[in-house]
Amino acid sequence: DTAVSQTPKYLVTQMGNDKSIKCEQNLGHDTMYWYKQDSKKFLKIMFSYNNKELIINETVPNRFSPKSPDKAHLNLHINSLELGDSAVYFCASSQMTSGRGDTQYFGPGTRLTVL
Amino acid sequence: AQTVTQSQPEMSVQEAETVTLSCTYDTSESDYYLFWYKQPPSRQMILVIRQEAYKQQNATENRFSVNFQKAAKSFSLKISDSQLGDAAMYFCAYAGGAQKLVFGQGTRLTINP
Repeated sequence: DTAVSQTPKYLVTQMGNDKSIKCEQNLGHDTMYWYKQDSKKFLKIMFSYNNKELIINETVPNRFSPKSPDKAHLNLHINSLELGDSAVYFCASSQMTSGRGDTQYFGPGTRLTVL
Repeated sequence: AQTVTQSQPEMSVQEAETVTLSCTYDTSESDYYLFWYKQPPSRQMILVIRQEAYKQQNATENRFSVNFQKAAKSFSLKISDSQLGDAAMYFCAYAGGAQKLVFGQGTRLTINP
């Protein structure tokens, strides 16, 4: 059973298009995250949700809009895609322990290529 | 803000030998977690080992162990009896009250047969 799944795994699209990436976890965790890994392999947090509430929103362009319909799902919608959005996007989940983030489990990543 | 630094962009080791990957971090918090994640060419992020800051005992998982020096803010990963399957990018990461992982730049580990 896949613990954290993402769809699609690969996404190739034209500049200016709108696209979504979906994430689901079956670990029963209460917190989910989106990370971006750039071409130099650097990983940086974008958003996190705890019990469907946004708790972290790093300096991300507002073309990126996360949505959490329930604790097990976190989607990422990107409007007006730009060349610089090309990256690998990872979803992750964890269970909050005393208000602190514990071990995060990652999905397989979505490689987004903007042409 | 917390930072994590991995000063070795690349490391290589002979199969069956031991290698140590370095990581230092900066924080003013006293309660936090530290992690090593492995990213093979498949790009999946795989948890290797976890350390709770309040535990003095170094974490161990089979051939993987850490040397956690809280005062020095150092968290190195030792891989014993290196295997070809250990070849990957290794990321050191910090998690504290900000409820997010802060990653280092990564170390690419090559295993020579």
